[in-house]
Amino acid sequence: GAGVSQSPSNKVTEKGKDVELRCDPISGHTALYWYRQRLGQGLEFLIYFQGNSAPDKSGLPSDRFSAERTGESVSTLTIQRTQQEDSAVYLCASSPQGLPGELFFGEGSRLTVL
Amino acid sequence: GESVGLHLPTLSVQEGDNSIINCAYSNSASDYFIWYKQESGKGPQFIIDIRSNMDKRQGQRVTVLLNKTVKHLSLQIAATQPGDSAVYFCADFNQAGTALIFGKGTTLSVSS
Repeated sequence: GAGVSQSPSNKVTEKGKDVELRCDPISGHTALYWYRQRLGQGLEFLIYFQGNSAPDKSGLPSDRFSAERTGESVSTLTIQRTQQEDSAVYLCASSPQGLPGELFFGEGSRLTVL
Repeated sequence: GESVGLHLPTLSVQEGDNSIINCAYSNSASDYFIWYKQESGKGPQFIIDIRSNMDKRQGQRVTVLLNKTVKHLSLQIAATQPGDSAVYFCADFNQAGTALIFGKGTTLSVSS
């Protein structure tokens, strides 16, 4: 499709397990962002990739969180040893060049940690 | 610090009324602001943006006003429709200028 694609759309896991969330940005977009949105809350910035530059990881809440991006394509957000407080919707966005400018969001991956 | 917030968590209006959603920001160095709309179960959608060298910007049925003196911006929606029902977020840059920082959102409910 033409938009940002995220998978899985829903993930239920047990506390302590690792999870991987995938994001396919819009083709040609050099910038990619991950955000977390807890129920009823705003979006919390996690990490930013721009081309081949070093990512801005300043929003990652702990060392259990990591993300990778292959060139200017797919990104994977990994959460190790999941905790119940990790339950949230994880949103990915891409943009042609980064800010300022519109970020195009995917539908998100809803993570539930039991 | 860098925080973006909205004055009211909820706003209820009648169809056809004009809606005004407010947002206060704390980072006086912010030079770019953006409004997003998020419908239930979906990702946020861009509505309109404004740079700090402007006081007002208009789109289709929407207007954003920026008051840098009091660090306040607002989103005005003309002739609100049921399809406008959603959560509205304002956002500005983080200190590094690399990411958007979002407020908690205002839930707009439009009744027919």
